[in-house]
Amino acid sequence: DIQMTQSPSSLSASVGDRVTITCRASQSISSYLNWYQQKSGQAPKLLIYAASSLQSGVPSRFSGSGSGTDFTLTISSLQPEDFATYYCQQSHSTPGTFGQGTKVEIK
Amino acid sequence: QVQLVQSGAEVKKPGASVKVSCKASGYTFINYDIHWVRQATGQGLEWMGWMDPYGDNANYAQRFQGRVTMTRNTSISTAYMELSSLTSDDAAVYYCAKVLYSGYASPFDYWGQGTLVTVSS
Repeated sequence: DIQMTQSPSSLSASVGDRVTITCRASQSISSYLNWYQQKSGQAPKLLIYAASSLQSGVPSRFSGSGSGTDFTLTISSLQPEDFATYYCQQSHSTPGTFGQGTKVEIK
Repeated sequence: QVQLVQSGAEVKKPGASVKVSCKASGYTFINYDIHWVRQATGQGLEWMGWMDPYGDNANYAQRFQGRVTMTRNTSISTAYMELSSLTSDDAAVYYCAKVLYSGYASPFDYWGQGTLVTVSS
């Protein structure tokens, strides 16, 4: 199975900050990397797919980059509604493994 | 609008089975695979498998092989996930999710609200 490792596991940031979360795959997954946002008590929400494609309806302050094994999710200017846990997921092969999550908290 | 509505919370005894349903609406059910993902309390997301509503094919994560069955009823646009031989480790919220597009490597664009499964003697 492909292992997905996110860093950091948690971070504290202020509204307006630029936030970067990284995700590393244990082997190359080309660009088959997706990012989800999950708020407490809710189902995950798709933000970015295929490493850098913005899902419809998602604000443009979210962006993704990377290919191969190293990927990044960037929030250009953190908003109050962005405090949540973020997961990367590879869809290159089954099982479609997720990272362990990055919790973004208010500073 | 697209919706996936799951069945309600379940309480099961160790060794029992649970069957969770996921009723789809707002799109053509047979055209998009359904995946199942679970999340133990306070933990991360774990992919369990997927099923193809058109051909009734399914593919399961190795760790659930022999214990999980994913099926569907196309007449009512509903997918099912049945997990047997439950242990306390299976206590989790179970989600169904629809793929964004047909074909290889699609992400999940719509998710059910989740079904809490409690395993307790």
